[in-house]
Amino acid sequence: AAGVIQSPRHLIKEKRETATLKCYPIPRHDTVYWYQQGPGQDPQFLISFYEKMQSDKGSIPDRFSAQQFSDYHSELNMSSLELGDSALYFCASMGGHVAFFGQGTRLTVV
Amino acid sequence: DAKTTQPTSMDCAEGRAANLPCNHSTISGNEYVYWYRQIHSQGPQYIIHGLKNNETNEMASLIITEDRKSSTLILPHATLRDTAVYYCIVRGMYSGGGADGLTFGKGTHLIIQP
Repeated sequence: AAGVIQSPRHLIKEKRETATLKCYPIPRHDTVYWYQQGPGQDPQFLISFYEKMQSDKGSIPDRFSAQQFSDYHSELNMSSLELGDSALYFCASMGGHVAFFGQGTRLTVV
Repeated sequence: DAKTTQPTSMDCAEGRAANLPCNHSTISGNEYVYWYRQIHSQGPQYIIHGLKNNETNEMASLIITEDRKSSTLILPHATLRDTAVYYCIVRGMYSGGGADGLTFGKGTHLIIQP
């Protein structure tokens, strides 16, 4: 069965650079969630989209933005990267009552 | 504010049933109870969810108390591969579609002993 696809799987950026993470939801899923998980931390909800509109917002920094496109894929844009942004970033998609997660993008800021 | 309370860690012998408790005393009528687990640095994996009735699938059983203030996830025959952090999450569903974000609390680190 198709799963949630995230790309890239690994990304290394320097401080003050920008990064774009992509998420391809399970076909026919209309909701996408983004999470950040720092080392030794629990996943923290950042933002979600339902039918291409922002539906809920968590602890997403102002330097980050996201959107969901007409084909339902989503992108998380991160600017002015800081060392503290180094983390695993997970995307999840939902088409009913259950959200399924991708394998994540590991972002390392150096 | 945390909506759920779980033990920090638990041990279970391989082959035995693992029973993971969760308290959610402030749950409201339209909120479901979900269980996910995360094996080190992998994406969280859905296990099971329920509203008020007990549920069972190929992975686990979910027992929800009648007052819905607590629940127990049961892994009937734990294996070493079940070692993971288990998260109990309550979440509301929007009547028009979509849902609240899943808010992960501290979870229970379940260690299956050989």
